[in-house]
Amino acid sequence: DSGVTQTPKHLITATGQRVTLRCSPRSGDLSVYWYQQSLDQGLQFLIQYYNGEERAKGNILERFSAQQFPDLHSELNLSSLELGDSALYFCASSTTDPGSGNSPLHFGNGTRLTVT
Amino acid sequence: QKEVEQDPGPLSVPEGAIVSLNCTYSNSAFQYFMWYRQYSRKGPELLMYTYSSGNKEDGRFTAQVDKSSKYISLFIRDSQPSDSATYLCALKKSGGGADGLTFGKGTHLIIQP
Repeated sequence: DSGVTQTPKHLITATGQRVTLRCSPRSGDLSVYWYQQSLDQGLQFLIQYYNGEERAKGNILERFSAQQFPDLHSELNLSSLELGDSALYFCASSTTDPGSGNSPLHFGNGTRLTVT
Repeated sequence: QKEVEQDPGPLSVPEGAIVSLNCTYSNSAFQYFMWYRQYSRKGPELLMYTYSSGNKEDGRFTAQVDKSSKYISLFIRDSQPSDSATYLCALKKSGGGADGLTFGKGTHLIIQP
């Protein structure tokens, strides 16, 4: 068990809808990362927060947004959902400042999103 | 050219064999190298982490980095059926970048009993 908790495990929704994925990082970890995993694209970095502040953006669509709360949990909001958004969404956390190289990531078990 | 290339497999070997998994990369800014194992319907699990050229050993696993060739490897000795999973290499750039890891697409490994 990595210590990173993601809810819900599965989510089925219709096109055009909005969903919120939740992540609780490992105790003591200040950095939270969101990744999307699809069969054709592999693991793609979406966005990263450190101690409540956004620190980096990857291939995140404008329809997607995230935030990290004072208790360090994070939420990823996906809106105007399309069929192509169906994927596994992973949260990962790390202890150190993202500027440090010594920050291996620890992943949760993901949320499987199916858009119908 | 993708930043990280990894053969997706599947790679099927008999139990007890030595397994070699590899990634190549194109950007010399990558300075930190990791291997993750991912079982079906689970999140990636960190196996090995290294930041220098050479070998690092942990039990049956050895990670090898050759920065001059931009080539990294993971060796698994005495492979077991429980090693059957997808193995992902992950690389991180130096210089204080906060953009997470760049992953290979993963190699699907099957250990035949």
